[in-house]
Amino acid sequence: KQEVTQIPAALSVPEGENLVLNCSFTDSAIYNLQWFRQDPGKGLTSLLLIQSSQREQTSGRLNASLDKSSGRSTLYIAASQPGDSATYLCAEGSSGSARQLTFGSGTQLTVLP
Amino acid sequence: DGGITQSPKYLFRKEGQNVTLSCEQNLNHDAMYWYRQDPGQGLRLIYYSQIVNDFQKGDIAEGYSVSREKKESFPLTVTSAQKNPTAFYLCASSIGLQGAQPQHFGDGTRLSIL
Repeated sequence: KQEVTQIPAALSVPEGENLVLNCSFTDSAIYNLQWFRQDPGKGLTSLLLIQSSQREQTSGRLNASLDKSSGRSTLYIAASQPGDSATYLCAEGSSGSARQLTFGSGTQLTVLP
Repeated sequence: DGGITQSPKYLFRKEGQNVTLSCEQNLNHDAMYWYRQDPGQGLRLIYYSQIVNDFQKGDIAEGYSVSREKKESFPLTVTSAQKNPTAFYLCASSIGLQGAQPQHFGDGTRLSIL
């Protein structure tokens, strides 16, 4: 069974700092990797999706990378803002017929003004 | 605006009672999913449906049931057989196979036991 791990569980940084969130996975047959944002009491918003054939994806201040050989993905947030405070979850899409997503438990980010 | 609507936002269940959570989407997506989220944990898949009148069990289907009579709707029933139903329930949809496309999520239903 695939496992997805996110460390640390919580992170606090001052406004303006660049930061990296980490995600590790055990599935060598990964199909894709998604990063989501979750605000308190809300659903998930998809931020970036990286296909297994890609190395990275960028959207604004966000950059996500994928290294299948090491089983790692990172989400880089540039020039962090208080509005970036949320829980960030990564999810690995398997190559099985159902292509189910396996989620990590998330990193709760607080950006201090 | 297109999106996913979950209702109610909060739901309370009495002992031995079945409750149904609603999920409606107007995104014209074929695939729909139900997840359970417990505090400090990731999402776990309960059921998913890739097409009308068809659905499959996820990792934690015991104590739950679903139906998919319309493309737009995928209600989840939490039965009395689910002994620990207190959780945050999230419905999602995607154009096709969930690994191939980003999933879109509703705002969730928080279920508690009276």
